[in-house]
Parts: sequence; structure tokens; C-alpha cells
Amino acid sequence: EAQVTQNPRYLITVTGKKLTVTCSQNMNHEYMSWYRQDPGLGLRQIYYSMNVEVTDKGDVPEGYKVSRKEKRNFPLILESPSPNQTSLYFCASSFGLAGIQETQYFGPGTRLLVL
Amino acid sequence: QQPVQSPQAVILREGEDAVINCSSSKALYSVHWYRQKHGEAPVFLMILLKGGEQKGHEKISASFNEKKQQSSLYLTASQLSYSGTYFCGTENTGKLIFGQGTTLQVKP
Repeated sequence: EAQVTQNPRYLITVTGKKLTVTCSQNMNHEYMSWYRQDPGLGLRQIYYSMNVEVTDKGDVPEGYKVSRKEKRNFPLILESPSPNQTSLYFCASSFGLAGIQETQYFGPGTRLLVL
Repeated sequence: QQPVQSPQAVILREGEDAVINCSSSKALYSVHWYRQKHGEAPVFLMILLKGGEQKGHEKISASFNEKKQQSSLYLTASQLSYSGTYFCGTENTGKLIFGQGTTLQVKP
């Protein structure tokens, strides 16, 4: 089954404790991205990747890191989480043709609470 | 620059029509529309490309006015299953930027 998976689905942590949220897709998509969703603000892009070893900042990259060592995986790293990073996070992937994207397939989401 | 959606919320009776608008201050290559039900991930509805045609999905269709940098989503004869939050996403040089969302509630 074609899908985007995220782990963990729910996470409670404390300020400053490094964490990683994994994202994996099995559709051989070039393009992957991370979004955070907060009430009233919609979906805001954190980072995106056009292909392996190619990543770029989205609109709200501060406090986050990503890597794309393999085509299928795109982990999101919070080196020192803070309470303002409490949010619902979505990973998404799509085929990418010269920068114009195709349908984005979203993962199920990861709900993060930073105390 | 985040696109602006209007209205922010709509309440309809089953069978009524609705229009959701999305406008951007920047030139657009494409506009994406997604629907998100409560507690779920966004789901793709359609993409409109620059120079492309109006595209449809069942009784949901959309238009893309490149000159005005606007797109509109048309929901015809709404069904209960149309309830959710609708997001437009505007794409420019690789980034996909979503609007703040329009909440649609369809009542019996």
C-alpha cells in the first residue's frame, strides 16, 4: 500500500531534550516536506527536499533540522525543543517535476507537546 | 507570503452551494486544494496549473485566474461528507504555501 508513515504519532517531551520524528514514504517520491499545523495558522512549511542530499528552508525553519540521506526517509530533528514548538506535524511527499509539484500525500501526523 | 482564504467559515444545508476563494500577492505557478477532516491528515482534491484548464472532482470544481493571482473552489449541491477544513496552497519555485483554511460545515 502506497503510504507516508510517521513515528511517533504522539510525543510528550521536556524543553531541551533532543528528539527526532521519522518520516518514510514507499512511493519513490523525489519531493518531501515537513509542515506544522497550529490553530488559525493553517499549514506552515518547515523544510522541504527536492531529492537526496537537497534540502531547503520553508517558512518556519527556526529550531528544526532535517536530512535526506535516502530517498524514502526525511527525519525532522528538534535539537533543543521549546514549548512554542508544541504543534501537530505533518510529513508529505510527492513526485516533483522541475519544481512544480504533483499531488502531495500526507502522513498521519505527529502530535508533539513540549513541557 | 501566505495566501488569503475567504470566507474563514461557512455553514450550509445539504444541497446548497458554496464558493471558497484564495488570493495571493505573488505570481503563481500552480494552486493546490486540499480538504482536512477533523483529526485526519489533509487529502488532495485538485491542482490547477498556470495556463491549465478548470479541473473538477465529482461535484467540486475550481478555477485559476493567473492575472488576478486568485483561485476559487466551487462546491455544488453539498453533501454531509464535504464538511471539513479546506486549504489552498500556492506554489512558487518549489515552495508550497498554504492559506489559513476555510472551515465548512454541512448540516442535514
